Formats: sequence, structure tokens, C-alpha cells
Amino acid sequence: RKEVEQDPGPFNVPEGATVAFNCTYSNSASQSFFWYRQDCRKEPKLLMSVYSSGNEDGRFTAQLNRASQYISLLIRDSKLSDSATYLCVVNNRAAYKYIFGTGTRLKVLA
Amino acid sequence: GAVVSQHPSRVICKSGTSVKIECRSLDFQATTMFWYRQFPKQSLMLMATSNEGSKATYEQGVEKDKFLINHASLTLSTLTVTSAHPEDSSFYICSARDIRSSGNTIYFGEGSWLTVV
Repeated sequence: RKEVEQDPGPFNVPEGATVAFNCTYSNSASQSFFWYRQDCRKEPKLLMSVYSSGNEDGRFTAQLNRASQYISLLIRDSKLSDSATYLCVVNNRAAYKYIFGTGTRLKVLA
Repeated sequence: GAVVSQHPSRVICKSGTSVKIECRSLDFQATTMFWYRQFPKQSLMLMATSNEGSKATYEQGVEKDKFLINHASLTLSTLTVTSAHPEDSSFYICSARDIRSSGNTIYFGEGSWLTVV
């Protein structure tokens, strides 16, 4: 089983739709969680950190469920510019590693 | 956010030659930097963790003699692909850990496209 798992997609949604991605992790010792966005042939860029209490940044909401060991990303009112691959990243400080999911590809259609 | 610069962004080299890629943290000190490789339509694969002033820690299956990592200062880590072969052609990305941020956020360089011909 992979340490971090994501549905690769693609998720094809119309503009204005709400879309949610989940990411599961296997190491219960994981301590920090992030969502990154990667555009084609570019480096990943930090979208948001994920906090235990959940956090929101504009149209984006991230949540963490430690009991079930998953994090989620909700995108409301999807824009064409949201089309990208969304990477889930989990950090285990004890091992000092950042583990990446394979990414979920989102296509927002006009 | 913090800025990480990677150079060169693209390089083409002949098979058998060596290529050096630099990763710099521009506005913060990074005691730890990470090197990844990403093949088309695949996820980032961690190659090694670079620690300033000490030897890098390589992931299983990554040849340390082929992928030389040097982290000589708190703002610079280099990856040298030695005796490059066409199968080494890939997107190489570095990241640096900003210890100032809560949660230990990592920031990525722009990546380097290596093509070995």
C-alpha cells in the first residue's frame, strides 16, 4: 500500500461546479499536511497547508480527518484556471520526509 | 512565500557527460533541501535529502555515485548527474524547507528539464 494515495482522475467538471478530492495516508505518525498545485511541466506550488481544525482560503477549503487518516480539498465555483494536478503532501517529521501522492488531475470545462 | 531558484531550467547534454543543477534558497536559510525526479505523468519521486554540512541521505534505488549531492552552504545545494544516459532524461526539482514557517512548509524550485542525447 502506498503511503499517500490519491485518485488520479481526471475529474472533468463544468465551470462553476464544486469539486472535492480526498487523499489518504497510511502513517499515523504524520504530522503536517499540504495541498500543492502543479501545472503541466511546471514545479508544484503550495496551495494551502491543512490544519486539524480545517481551513479555508477563498474558494478552497481543506480538512483533515486524523481518525480516518485522510485529508480533503474542496474547490467551490470552479474556474478554468483551476485546471491542474493537485498533489497531496504528508510530512512525517520524525522521518523528516515529505511524501507526495500521485496527484489528482482536474479539468474545468467551459 | 519563500523563493527557491533552480538553474538551469533546461539542459541538453551528450550521453556520458555530467550535468550540475543548482538549487538556491533566495530569502531564507535551508538546512534541508530535497531533490526529486518526475517522469511524464508520474508523481514526484524523492531521490535524496540534502543536509547542509553533512552527507545526503539517498532513497532506496538511487545511486549515490551517479547522483552526487553537495549542500555546501545554507542557501545552496547542487545535484550532479554523472555519466548521464538517455534514461536519466527527466524533470528534476529541488525543494527547500523553510524552518521559519510553522508546519515546516517546503517550497520548490522551478525545476530543471534534463535531456540526454
